[in-house]
Amino acid sequence: SQELEQSPQSLIVQEGKNLTINCTSSKTLYGLYWYKQKYGEGLIFLMMLQKGGEEKSHEKITAKLDEKKQQSSLHITASQPSHAGIYLCGADTRSNTGKLIFGQGTTLQVKP
Amino acid sequence: SAVISQKPSRDICQRGTSLTIQCQVDSQVTMMFWYRQQPGQSLTLIATANQGSEATYESGFVIDKFPISRPNLTFSTLTVSNMSPEDSSIYLCSGGQGADIQYFGAGTRLSVL
Repeated sequence: SQELEQSPQSLIVQEGKNLTINCTSSKTLYGLYWYKQKYGEGLIFLMMLQKGGEEKSHEKITAKLDEKKQQSSLHITASQPSHAGIYLCGADTRSNTGKLIFGQGTTLQVKP
Repeated sequence: SAVISQKPSRDICQRGTSLTIQCQVDSQVTMMFWYRQQPGQSLTLIATANQGSEATYESGFVIDKFPISRPNLTFSTLTVSNMSPEDSSIYLCSGGQGADIQYFGAGTRLSVL
């Protein structure tokens, strides 16, 4: 089974709608990273969470890490076509080594 | 933040040949890593590129197949040796300060015929 489970695998939303992507681990997360992947652009860093209960926001994107540090969510408010892409959660499960495991990704389409 | 450049961005290679991918960071970073993303899959860590010493490989990856160099704190190379079609993937390098934010390059899209 996957060490890092990401859901949903794909998402189609109407422009303006809110959405949430989840990332769950069976191990303690020493660092949880959210990236967006677009063709030819590699991984674009969005946010990093390290502390239980931590929440960060940037523009219309908010990421949270639960108190147990085993689950994170990424929430997009009032989605726009520019939010479309593949969202990946990556996690450091080996005590701050910087080595990441990744979820399978969530493909987001935003319909105008 | 760190900006990571990878070369080449894409290549098409023949079976049995080798390709060396370069990764350049615009600032010194303590950690550099190489990942593979097979078609339709997520990223898998290949190895940690250690400055001035041999790379540390993850389970399932070996030095003979993926030799890595890291001569300084801003540059690393990954060679994919004796390629087969199964090596067709996107190869990405990442870098950061310790366990801090890991920044990624745009990747090298490799197709092996």
